[in-house]
Amino acid sequence: DAKTTQPPSMDCAEGRAANLPCNHSTISGNEYVYWYRQIHSQGPQYIIHGLKNNETNEMASLIITEDRKSSTLILPHATLRDTAVYYCIVRPPSGGYQKVTFGTGTKLQVIP
Amino acid sequence: EPEVTQTPSHQVTQMGQEVILRCVPISNHLYFYWYRQILGQKVEFLVSFYNNEISEKSEIFDDQFSVERPDGSNFTLKIRSTKLEDSAMYFCASSKGARGGGSNQPQHFGDGTRLSIL
Repeated sequence: DAKTTQPPSMDCAEGRAANLPCNHSTISGNEYVYWYRQIHSQGPQYIIHGLKNNETNEMASLIITEDRKSSTLILPHATLRDTAVYYCIVRPPSGGYQKVTFGTGTKLQVIP
Repeated sequence: EPEVTQTPSHQVTQMGQEVILRCVPISNHLYFYWYRQILGQKVEFLVSFYNNEISEKSEIFDDQFSVERPDGSNFTLKIRSTKLEDSAMYFCASSKGARGGGSNQPQHFGDGTRLSIL
């Protein structure tokens, strides 16, 4: 799997946008970038994924650079409930049963 | 929104006893998984399951572990003779899969079973 690098922790003021960076300089052309988060004592929660284009859903936006070597997850208006560990994961394309390999992620603390 | 459900939320078992953790995946999903997370550590892959067979398993998933889909809705993880080091959160996940493969289908996780071995 392509390796990802994320800052270990970040703070964000409540109501402001949270921008979580991820480097994946060894990503292959057909690998997807996925983001999950894990709120304390809960299971990992899927947020969003993308290949080349920027993506947006009801939870977040994903911005992937043109060279695909890095991406940013944007939570547009962070709330206290967004406090969690955020995982950036690159998944190889070999089959629908491909496992998810979690790293240590970024611990986002949303501050009132 | 459909979700993966796991029972029980907390299981306390004596060392050496057998334990079965239960999961109900999302109904139209085809691929099923178990992961575990020891307190303070990363989430680790254990096993994936498709078409009534194990697709992949990690080194952690030794002969003490087994998985089963006994009916059309449940997916279980059995630990035959539990050890102290099996104490962890166990997460079940499922995904739709994709025709012809491809990693563009997300896995959806349950909230886990906390297994405590005494």
